[in-house]
Amino acid sequence: GQNIDQPTEMTATEGAIVQINCTYQTSGFNGLFWYQQHAGEAPTFLSYNVLDGLEEKGRFSSFLSRSKGYSYLLLKELQMKDSASYLCAVRDSNYQLIWGAGTKLIIKP
Amino acid sequence: GAVVSQHPSRVICKSGTSVKIECRSLDFQATTMFWYRQFPKQSLMLMATSNEGSKATYEQGVEKDKFLINHASLTLSTLTVTSAHPEDSSFYICSAKDRDVEQYFGPGTRLTVT
Repeated sequence: GQNIDQPTEMTATEGAIVQINCTYQTSGFNGLFWYQQHAGEAPTFLSYNVLDGLEEKGRFSSFLSRSKGYSYLLLKELQMKDSASYLCAVRDSNYQLIWGAGTKLIIKP
Repeated sequence: GAVVSQHPSRVICKSGTSVKIECRSLDFQATTMFWYRQFPKQSLMLMATSNEGSKATYEQGVEKDKFLINHASLTLSTLTVTSAHPEDSSFYICSAKDRDVEQYFGPGTRLTVT
């Protein structure tokens, strides 16, 4: 079966750095996405990785290792507004998005 | 960036009635639209995938006669929840994509069935 694993919840301090991991086992791979979702709102796109390596976009970076079936989202200089759920999703061989359950990130002052 | 709208944003209906939710891509043509359902504190659950002009493909366990999907044009898809029951109360989110890799999400519709 297809599976996406990410931690259920993480806590970090304002101004610090946090890394949210995602491991996946899917039938085929056509890219990995990270989305941010605030409570009661729809997800918003953060990043897309299809090749191995690090993609940096401002305070957020995303890393992919296809051989390990592994990705992480790195958030730097954390702000209170970064408190949200972070969803990892993989596009499989049928171009279907397989979603992780999401990681709830709690930022403390 | 691409914009997807949903209407209504919130709806309350009585048990047994039907509710229609619209999803529109405002500044691009969506070859494919997706409908998701999300229960509190849970991740997105794909309900169906629809391509313009063809029948929707429903995920296992989703009743196609209860959740009617119409994708009549490249900018509009509708989801009709027929004979709604309280257990259908949820957050319904659509997303749309063109030939690019990215899916663009609508703001969601919160359905409450009383």
